Amino acid sequence: AQKITQTQPGMFVQEKEAVTLDCTYDTSDPSYGLFWYKQPSSGEMIFLIYQGSYDQQNATEGRYSLNFQKARKSANLVISASQLGDSAMYFCAMSQGYFNNAGNMLTFGGGTRLMVKP
Amino acid sequence: NAGVTQTPKFQVLKTGQSMTLQCAQDMNHNSMYWYRQDPGMGLRLIYYSASEGTTDKGEVPNGYNVSRLNKREFSLRLESAAPSQTSVYFCASRETGSPGANVLTFGAGSRLTVL
Repeated sequence: AQKITQTQPGMFVQEKEAVTLDCTYDTSDPSYGLFWYKQPSSGEMIFLIYQGSYDQQNATEGRYSLNFQKARKSANLVISASQLGDSAMYFCAMSQGYFNNAGNMLTFGGGTRLMVKP
Repeated sequence: NAGVTQTPKFQVLKTGQSMTLQCAQDMNHNSMYWYRQDPGMGLRLIYYSASEGTTDKGEVPNGYNVSRLNKREFSLRLESAAPSQTSVYFCASRETGSPGANVLTFGAGSRLTVL
């Protein structure tokens, strides 16, 4: 069975600084996908970034990058130049198997609450 | 761009009452999903529909039924609500069957309280 662990329930970061949100995973499947979602206080889930298990390079999307360390089974999210609007819950998620198939479900971690200080 | 629309946004039920959460997407996605989010936790999959006419159980299906009415609509029904079903419910959809079809698009959520 697959498992996602986010060990930081809450974090503070100073505005304009970088922050790393930790995520570790466990799976026996060689094919998997790793995702990060943001949930602001308004409640919606916003997709941020995706990394496939066979991708050679770390994924980047604007100020977001995913630090993928396959041997350590970690997929940490790095947010550069934090903004006040980054204050939110952040969820790491994993799909087992090739996510192209509808039945390959996403499993979510418990989330990290990030608070950006002005 | 409506994306994924869920109704209602808020609902309060008494134990034993029934209700249906509605979900519609306008992105022509094949697959649709229902998740629940309990306080302080991540999302857990209740049911999903890989394509029109098919539904399958997820991680926590007990106490729920679903209907994939057509390609756009996927409803979640609570036949006899229980306090343990107090949660925020999210509908999501995505394209499947093509490379890069990785992004789940979520609705805004429906907050359900069962007294």
